Amino acid sequence: QKEVEQNSGPLSVPEGAIASLNCTYSDRGSQSFFWYRQYSGKSPELIMSIYSNGDKEDGRFTAQLNKASQYVSLLIRDSQPSDSATYLCAVTPLRQAGTALIFGKGTTLSVSS
Amino acid sequence: NAGVTQTPKFQVLKTGQSMTLQCAQDMNHNSMYWYRQDPGMGLRLIYYSASEGTTDKGEVPNGYNVSRLNKREFSLRLESAAPSQTSVYFCASSETNYGYTFGSGTRLTVV
Repeated sequence: QKEVEQNSGPLSVPEGAIASLNCTYSDRGSQSFFWYRQYSGKSPELIMSIYSNGDKEDGRFTAQLNKASQYVSLLIRDSQPSDSATYLCAVTPLRQAGTALIFGKGTTLSVSS
Repeated sequence: NAGVTQTPKFQVLKTGQSMTLQCAQDMNHNSMYWYRQDPGMGLRLIYYSASEGTTDKGEVPNGYNVSRLNKREFSLRLESAAPSQTSVYFCASSETNYGYTFGSGTRLTVV
């Protein structure tokens, strides 16, 4: 089983819609969870972090964590064409010494105007 | 505030050549990392340094060596480059339990 799994997409949504990105992880003891955005040809950029069960909102972004189901999601409200990018889910597994993150392969989001 | 600086940005090597990728951060972070990113494979950890003076292997360390020169600098060395090492290399830094700040990447082609 892969450590961190994401649907590769592409996920296509119209401008103004809600985009829902999902991620599952295998290590039940994982501690920290992150969402990164990566534009084509650029480096990943941290957009959200979440450490406890529930929702965390930041502007148009909401991260949701359910440790019992080993599931993390990212909702993007009022999606804009500028949100078109690859979104990477990252997790710190309990077994991993230090703070090294395990990344999913990413979900490509396309927002059409 | 430069964040994480990687050099070079682009490099073409011949098989068997060696090179060092440089990374420096100015955020006083304790931890630094090297990842490679390949199409369809995502970001894979090569080596990391949880603190100055320590280094550990990640998922794909074969063919690479690292040096944590001081708190700011973490270099990645390819001793004898192979075509399989053609990739985009990212350096990152962080504080414990916080997300990474990535450098802009090095695009390496081994022919």
